[in-house]
Amino acid sequence: GENVEQHPSTLSVQEGDSAVIKCTYSDSASNYFPWYKQELGKRPQLIIDIRSNVGEKKDQRIAVTLNKTAKHFSLHITETQPEDSAVYFCAEGNEKLTFGTGTRLTIIP
Amino acid sequence: GAVVSQHPSRVICKSGTSVKIECRSLDFQATTMFWYRQFPKKSLMLMATSNEGSKATYEQGVEKDKFLINHASLTLSTLTVTSAHPEDSSFYICSASGRAVRGETQYFGPGTRLLVL
Repeated sequence: GENVEQHPSTLSVQEGDSAVIKCTYSDSASNYFPWYKQELGKRPQLIIDIRSNVGEKKDQRIAVTLNKTAKHFSLHITETQPEDSAVYFCAEGNEKLTFGTGTRLTIIP
Repeated sequence: GAVVSQHPSRVICKSGTSVKIECRSLDFQATTMFWYRQFPKKSLMLMATSNEGSKATYEQGVEKDKFLINHASLTLSTLTVTSAHPEDSSFYICSASGRAVRGETQYFGPGTRLLVL
């Protein structure tokens, strides 16, 4: 990857509502797009990923969509819970990853 | 599965000394290991990529003589910060990937917080 933009940088959502985080990238050769969740002082944890031959993937409350033509992908979290509060990073690449700038998600009880 | 450990978790050292950080894949063979640096409230910046038995590939702007990386086996990579200075203080995180564990997926270690006085 070369450059990844991630928006928003901070997001506050009422518990139970949905949260959406978006990323755009520039390297058309990228085929792998993971999302990581990082809690304060902890390691990044993979929560979902998608490969370029698929447009959407869902795992319970989490879904990711990919538009390879427009070079953007999004993370969707539904029915948010307080434990979803963390910093989320998108990434893109193949073997080597370039990470987005991160989104601090706060779920308001 | 796919557990990565890192040691030490935190280290405080005097300016001018060298510090070694170990990264281990505990239950899989890591054909590739990555070293990242993360500043407070910032993203992960890739420092270098290492494949077992070969020299590491460093990202632009990363001094290879200052950040020595060794990937001697399929389960261990080390990062040595040589002649550390206060500006080297940071959170260093490794990750590992392997063909037997979903190919390009990177699994992260818990990180090492380095403070250089």
